Amino acid sequence: DQQVKQNSPSLSVQEGRISILNCDYTNSMFDYFLWYKKYPAEGPTFLISISSIKDKNEDGRFTVFLNKSAKHLSLHIVPSQPGDSAVYFCAASPMNRDDKIIFGKGTRLHILP
Amino acid sequence: EAGVAQSPRYKIIEKRQSVAFWCNPISGHATLYWYQQILGQGPKLLIQFQNNGVVDDSQLPKDRFSAERLKGVDSTLKIQPAKLEDSAVYLCASSLEDRDNSPLHFGNGTRLTVT
Repeated sequence: DQQVKQNSPSLSVQEGRISILNCDYTNSMFDYFLWYKKYPAEGPTFLISISSIKDKNEDGRFTVFLNKSAKHLSLHIVPSQPGDSAVYFCAASPMNRDDKIIFGKGTRLHILP
Repeated sequence: EAGVAQSPRYKIIEKRQSVAFWCNPISGHATLYWYQQILGQGPKLLIQFQNNGVVDDSQLPKDRFSAERLKGVDSTLKIQPAKLEDSAVYLCASSLEDRDNSPLHFGNGTRLTVT
């Protein structure tokens, strides 16, 4: 039973354009959402997060949008740069903060020159 | 700030052998996690420590996996005996305070291949 779903295994975007990575969740108890970025042979690194009391959080080129009614969040990267090529994991944390963070399967983003 | 240190980076063993991984979290981080990431999947939590106590080990296959964090700092994860399906990257992570939803800081992982 996958509680955090990233339905696109991969995505290719032209350099300079907008990259949009999507994530759906099923558990209404989740109230905190995170995006991690992973390069090959390295551990995931934290990118950006959003609390369920917000619908948008922005940090430089990265913006995360949360639609609670649709149980959907997305990560926008604009403009996309070659160094953004990586695997992006969506993760969610429930209201009971002793419970574990659940990760999606990841989306591999390719930025094309 | 030094990151989460893990060793070894790679390990190849035969099935039924045993293996151990080591993790040193970021200094001052009370919470330590071991995750298993199978190829094509997201990280899956195996065990979570708060200082030297276990908070969650519900997904740890306890018949073959064990973990300890005796002094509340570094930690070891052991598999004995290993199975083919244990081939994965084992990631250690730490965070400042679990209740603050502070982001996890991951190490670079140990890639285990069981043949």
